[in-house]
Amino acid sequence: GESVGLHLPTLSVQEGDNSIINCAYSNSASDYFIWYKQESGKGPQFIIDIRSNMDKRQGQRVTVLLNKTVKHLSLQIAATQPGDSAVYFCAEIYTDKLIFGTGTRLQVFP
Amino acid sequence: EAGVAQSPRYKIIEKRQSVAFWCNPISGHATLYWYQQILGQGPKLLIQFQNNGVVDDSQLPKDRFSAERLKGVDSTLKIQPAKLEDSAVYLCASSLGVGDYGYTFGSGTRLTVV
Repeated sequence: GESVGLHLPTLSVQEGDNSIINCAYSNSASDYFIWYKQESGKGPQFIIDIRSNMDKRQGQRVTVLLNKTVKHLSLQIAATQPGDSAVYFCAEIYTDKLIFGTGTRLQVFP
Repeated sequence: EAGVAQSPRYKIIEKRQSVAFWCNPISGHATLYWYQQILGQGPKLLIQFQNNGVVDDSQLPKDRFSAERLKGVDSTLKIQPAKLEDSAVYLCASSLGVGDYGYTFGSGTRLTVV
């Protein structure tokens, strides 16, 4: 079946820097995408979403970019903080199902 | 608003034993999901309920896994008999209804099969 993948399993950034987490999806029919944050011992937590009729969406310190031509999503976190340390998943809605990718671990060091 | 409650938080069992997990969704959420998350992977949908009916159980290993949501509120997921490869975190999530993707996840039950 179709799946969502991520380029990097681990990303290490210095506190205060910007973080960029990338995701490639393979299902061109998907029209809705969500980024989740999962801290240790907790369930995934919604961060931001984007529909396929948009290229960019901004939230508080986070921005999601969608490039449908190359089937690529990215999550940008501005001024990364220690509390941002977690695993980040992109997920796509395909046939009304939420399909998760493998995840990227973000490590923030002082 | 209370979140999605799951219990137990942790469970260790021997292979071939049985185990059950419990989930209480957010009040008013008609749709309930069980996901399996193997270490280092993203969650994978096992079963989806709409009220007390099954919407999708295509990825549920029905020879050993079963789930029910008899009164359309709480749900239980059972594994019998367990295998080593069932070691994972079992996440419950709920949403207002089918087509609402504002899922709220519980903290999960971490199962270790030895």
